[in-house]
Amino acid sequence: NAGVTQTPKFRVLKTGQSMTLLCAQDMNHEYMYWYRQDPGMGLRLIHYSVGEGTTAKGEVPDGYNVSRLKKQNFLLGLESAAPSQTSVYFCASTERVDYSNQPQHFGDGTRLSIL
Amino acid sequence: AQSVAQPEDQVNVAEGNPLTVKCTYSVSGNPYLFWYVQYPNRGLQFLLKYITGDNLVKGSYGFEAEFNKSQTSFHLKKPSALVSDSALYFCAVRDLGKSTFGDGTTLTVKP
Repeated sequence: NAGVTQTPKFRVLKTGQSMTLLCAQDMNHEYMYWYRQDPGMGLRLIHYSVGEGTTAKGEVPDGYNVSRLKKQNFLLGLESAAPSQTSVYFCASTERVDYSNQPQHFGDGTRLSIL
Repeated sequence: AQSVAQPEDQVNVAEGNPLTVKCTYSVSGNPYLFWYVQYPNRGLQFLLKYITGDNLVKGSYGFEAEFNKSQTSFHLKKPSALVSDSALYFCAVRDLGKSTFGDGTTLTVKP
């Protein structure tokens, strides 16, 4: 099993450009999440999904959109990139069964720089 | 609302010595608590969790954590540190499918 796979691993964008980050999991997990990690600030939840076709806002959703058209994929979009969105982005997934006591499985991140 | 605090940005220990990484939490219901480790340029990896039962939880790589309800703490411990334990450690509390993470503690183990 590959677990959680994120593409791309690195990207540099110019202010105003758009892009989509892809997260794929092969564990048949119901719940998927997008976080951003900034120095000294831990992980902050951007958006999450509790199942195919559903999405919900997290702690810092502004400037991002998401889609979950297939159970195994969770896409994060930046409509008009801003320097404040320079960060490392992590995708995670969790089983649904008694979901609060299950650990999250993380991808290795996408390092995004906005110039 | 739930929250997690990791009061130390950095912990330094000598190889072979015991280590402790501190975590305190606030949650309205039953606490579901987790520790994760992050190595450079990698995602977070699950170490251990507390759901209910014994206050001393054992996890991966020889790590354990002590749950203390009265002090609302969940400190990560290891009896004998290794240089390879050097990494960034996150405590997290989980409720209704969402996690809240602490800001992380960098552990450095010196030979």
